Amino acid sequence: DQQVKQNSPSLSVQEGRISILNCDYTNSMFDYFLWYKKYPAEGPTFLISISSIKDKNEDGRFTVFLNKSAKHLSLHIVPSQPGDSAVYFCAASMRSNYKLTFGKGTLLTVNP
Amino acid sequence: NAGVTQTPKFRILKIGQSMTLQCTQDMNHNYMYWYRQDPGMGLKLIYYSVGAGITDKGEVPNGYNVSRSTTEDFPLRLELAAPSQTSVYFCASSPPGLYQETQYFGPGTRLLVL
Repeated sequence: DQQVKQNSPSLSVQEGRISILNCDYTNSMFDYFLWYKKYPAEGPTFLISISSIKDKNEDGRFTVFLNKSAKHLSLHIVPSQPGDSAVYFCAASMRSNYKLTFGKGTLLTVNP
Repeated sequence: NAGVTQTPKFRILKIGQSMTLQCTQDMNHNYMYWYRQDPGMGLKLIYYSVGAGITDKGEVPNGYNVSRSTTEDFPLRLELAAPSQTSVYFCASSPPGLYQETQYFGPGTRLLVL
C-alpha cells in the first residue's frame, strides 16, 4: 500500500522554464510534507517542507504547494537550471511520530 | 562538521555472510534512522532510534539488527545475508523538536549479495 505516490518517474524541461513535480498521498493523518533532492551516488538532501496548516511555502526558486482536499502537493522550480537535474523525492510524516514515508521519486532532467 | 558518515561505501557479500554497516553523526542529533533504497523505489525505513539505548522497528526490519550505545553511532547488522538484501543503505539523523522531520542523510552504502 503506497501512501505517497509520485506518478511521473521522469520529467524533462528546458533551462529557464518551470519544472513542476507532483506528489499525491492517501493517508489523511499526514500533516507535514517534505521534498528531498538526490544526486547519483549521494544521499538525499533536504530541499523544502510545508506544514498542513499552510498551502504554500517558498524558498528562492523553489515553491511547494499543498492542496489538502485533493491530498496533493507539488514542487515548482523557477527558473530551472541544469544543476537541478536530480531525483526528487516527496516525503510525508505525522508530526507525532517523526517517521517519514517516501515516494518513489521523479528524475528531473534540465536541458541546457 | 562531517555530518553523517557511512562506511563502507561498497561491499560484496556472499549469501549467509554477516556484516555491519557503520553510521556516525557529529551533529549531536537524538534521532537516527536506517533506510534501504531498491532500484526505482523510494526509501523504506528499516530501524530507527530516538536516543542512546532506544531503538525500534521500521517498515522492513526483517534480517537486520541495530544497536545505539552512543548518541553518535548507529550501526546496522546483517546476520545472514540474502540476495533480497542487495540494496543501497542510507543512514540519517535529525534533531529533536520543531524540525525533527528534516533528516540529514549520509552518502549511502551499496551492498551486493551474491
